[in-house]
Amino acid sequence: DGGITQSPKYLFRKEGQNVTLSCEQNLNHDAMYWYRQDPGQGLRLIYYSQIVNDFQKGDIAEGYSVSREKKESFPLTVTSAQKNPTAFYLCASSPLGEAYGYTFGSGTRLTVV
Amino acid sequence: AQSVTQPDIHITVSEGASLELRCNYSYGATPYLFWYVQSPGQGLQLLLKYFSGDTLVQGIKGFEAEFKRSQSSFNLRKPSVHWSDAAEYFCAVVLNDYKLSFGAGTTVTVRA
Repeated sequence: DGGITQSPKYLFRKEGQNVTLSCEQNLNHDAMYWYRQDPGQGLRLIYYSQIVNDFQKGDIAEGYSVSREKKESFPLTVTSAQKNPTAFYLCASSPLGEAYGYTFGSGTRLTVV
Repeated sequence: AQSVTQPDIHITVSEGASLELRCNYSYGATPYLFWYVQSPGQGLQLLLKYFSGDTLVQGIKGFEAEFKRSQSSFNLRKPSVHWSDAAEYFCAVVLNDYKLSFGAGTTVTVRA
């Protein structure tokens, strides 16, 4: 079955370390997105990509980086510059076009200690 | 700019009772609107979507939503709630460049 896989589901890191969250989709979707979710704040867009080798900053890109070397993959790196990285991270994908909703992965909960 | 407002942060409803979740959007033209549901620790699942045509949209899990242009609303309803409907619900609207803008979410608690 097609879908989006995020790994790992839980991730613990020490403060000051970079960490990379994986997102893979086999839906042949052109667009991929990373969101951060904090209690009471809904979903905030970190980065998105609509084509391989191209990506755009979202509303809260500071302290994060991404790459899109393959259509299927859109990894997110949380760098040490991100001041408050503990959160639930969601990856999504969609075909291009406003008529489509997103398909979401099951998320990665990152805890920085 | 387009945006979505969900006025209710938390709603508690009895099992078997009806449920209505409010969503208001701001946009000059006919928007593309979505409702998603999220169980704890999980991703979001699409419940239904509205683009044009019939203003009453049927979705999965027995949910429906009604688009009212005069009120800039897209409220989600379910006639009879089950305990498994306890979750967080998000309304979303398409922005320029195909991105979705999400409301802050409404948490639904179902009591026995």
